[in-house]
Amino acid sequence: DSGVTQTPKHLITATGQRVTLRCSPRSGDLSVYWYQQSLDQGLQFLIHYYNGEERAKGNILERFSAQQFPDLHSELNLSSLELGDSALYFCASSVVPSNEQFFGPGTRLTVL
Amino acid sequence: GESVGLHLPTLSVQEGDNSIINCAYSNSASDYFIWYKQESGKGPQFIIDIRSNMDKRQGQRVTVLLNKTVKHLSLQIAATQPGDSAVYFCAETDNYGQNFVFGPGTRLSVLP
Repeated sequence: DSGVTQTPKHLITATGQRVTLRCSPRSGDLSVYWYQQSLDQGLQFLIHYYNGEERAKGNILERFSAQQFPDLHSELNLSSLELGDSALYFCASSVVPSNEQFFGPGTRLTVL
Repeated sequence: GESVGLHLPTLSVQEGDNSIINCAYSNSASDYFIWYKQESGKGPQFIIDIRSNMDKRQGQRVTVLLNKTVKHLSLQIAATQPGDSAVYFCAETDNYGQNFVFGPGTRLSVLP
């Protein structure tokens, strides 16, 4: 157990809908990262927040957004969902921006 | 269930033998190179990283080698154990622990 929690574990929704994925980092970690893992694209870095501020954006679509709240939990919002958005979404955390990140168990999103 | 693609390159090794997993990277300007392990149904787990100004770094039972001339990275696992069975990903990133780019992954299968 990495100490990072993600909810929900599974999410099934329809095209065009909007969902919110939640991540609670390890206690004391200020950095939160979001990743997408799909069968065709592999692991992709989406976005990084540090202490409430956006630090870096990767391959994140404009339909996706994220934020980190004062209590340091983070949410990833996915809107106008498409079939191709079906994937595992992981968040990871670290004390400060770091390569040594601790990953959560992921949220499996299925768009029908 | 499976978290990653079913058609990854696979390396099969006998328990107790040494394993070598290879990775080609693309950006000669990357500052750090990282190896992650992902077991079935779990999030990735940080193994080891190496800075671009180094050629070799050792951890517990693992060694990472970096050849910048040919943009090649390898992970050596000594005395491979059944618990090492997983998918291994390499990643490259800049100096600030951001903008991670992952390789496609290699599945390591440890034979009894």
